[in-house]
Amino acid sequence: SQQGEEDPQALSIQEGENATMNCSYKTSINNLQWYRQNSGRGLVHLILIRSNEREKHSGRLRVTLDTSKKSSSLLITASRAADTASYFCATGSMFSGGYNKLIFGAGTRLAVHP
Amino acid sequence: ETGVTQSPTHLIKTRGQQVTLRCSSQSGHNTVSWYQQALGQGPQFIFQYYREEENGRGNFPPRFSGLQFPNYSSELNVNALELDDSALYLCASSDSRTGWETQYFGPGTRLLVL
Repeated sequence: SQQGEEDPQALSIQEGENATMNCSYKTSINNLQWYRQNSGRGLVHLILIRSNEREKHSGRLRVTLDTSKKSSSLLITASRAADTASYFCATGSMFSGGYNKLIFGAGTRLAVHP
Repeated sequence: ETGVTQSPTHLIKTRGQQVTLRCSSQSGHNTVSWYQQALGQGPQFIFQYYREEENGRGNFPPRFSGLQFPNYSSELNVNALELDDSALYLCASSDSRTGWETQYFGPGTRLLVL
């Protein structure tokens, strides 16, 4: 079962435009992370935001977290063709036994056209 | 590059066979998690290994098993392969000293079961 739901499922924009992806989740979390995946290969970690944080920046990325609404958004500014990929949000929680697992959504497929 | 390596990159098996996938964790990381990613979906947690023992498991049957070695590398074994086992298998390494917050993924092994 998947915790997160990304919206939209697919997004097509022109280079230079901003891309916004949203993620909703169901249970309490320790943190929320965003990953990028190119062409069905490995996941690249983009940014982590903890449950007590509201906003975080990394280069052209801005992530917000609203724990009251159980939602997060990822904004990519001034997009480039190289940003074309699938983007996943993943919630991180500690479970009894002291292990941490990531629960992923189904992802947003972003296409940036030159 | 995350420093996490997986082998092989691709594998074709027939139903009923057994398969072993391998993962070398990033230097200094003592924990390995395995995920299964079906086509068009987000990764799903299989299990996590820490100190050579399984310390957390997702909703996967016992025919999915694993090992972790003293150098923290890991294996995923799947017995009695089924067609639905066709997927990208990802391993991720993390460090218990940081609470396993961020997981660093390898490039994956794509398994096709015929």
